[in-house]
Amino acid sequence: RKEVEQDPGPFNVPEGATVAFNCTYSNSASQSFFWYRQDCRKEPKLLMSVYSSGNEDGRFTAQLNRASQYISLLIRDSKLSDSATYLCVVNREYNFNKFYFGSGTKLNVKP
Amino acid sequence: DADVTQTPRNRITKTGKRIMLECSQTKGHDRMYWYRQDPGLGLRLIYYSFDVKDINKGEISDGYSVSRQAQAKFSLSLESAIPNQTALYFCATSDSGLLDTQYFGPGTRLTVL
Repeated sequence: RKEVEQDPGPFNVPEGATVAFNCTYSNSASQSFFWYRQDCRKEPKLLMSVYSSGNEDGRFTAQLNRASQYISLLIRDSKLSDSATYLCVVNREYNFNKFYFGSGTKLNVKP
Repeated sequence: DADVTQTPRNRITKTGKRIMLECSQTKGHDRMYWYRQDPGLGLRLIYYSFDVKDINKGEISDGYSVSRQAQAKFSLSLESAIPNQTALYFCATSDSGLLDTQYFGPGTRLTVL
């Protein structure tokens, strides 16, 4: 079983739509969680960390559900520039900062 | 200037050749990583280093070796390249805190013919 699993998509949505992605992780010992954004053939870049209480950054909201072992990313009022692949990343302390990446969810925002 | 740089950015080589990919960082981080990315597989960890004297294998280290020449430099070598090592390679760094995230270089696109 993969450490981190994501729906690969693509999610095709119109501008202005709200879209949500989920990601599940297999190890309950996982300690920290992140969403990264990756544009085509570019390096992944941190979008936001995910905190236990949930957190929001502008149009983006991240949630963590430890009981069900999933994290989510909600994007409101989608922009064309949000088109990218979104990677879910999990870190486990006892593995000394080894990061586990999902294979990504592709989002296409269309005019 | 970029915090994490990789050279070369693109490389085409032939089967059996030795290739070295280089990574440098100015973030002052102790921890450095090498990943490869293949379509549909996400990023997979090849090697990681938590300081100059500490080198560890990742999930797919066979066919690769690394050298940590200094805190700022971490090189990946393919001793005898084969076509299934064709991929996008990323170097990354992180600080040592649990909540510290990773910073990636721009990637090296390697094609082995």
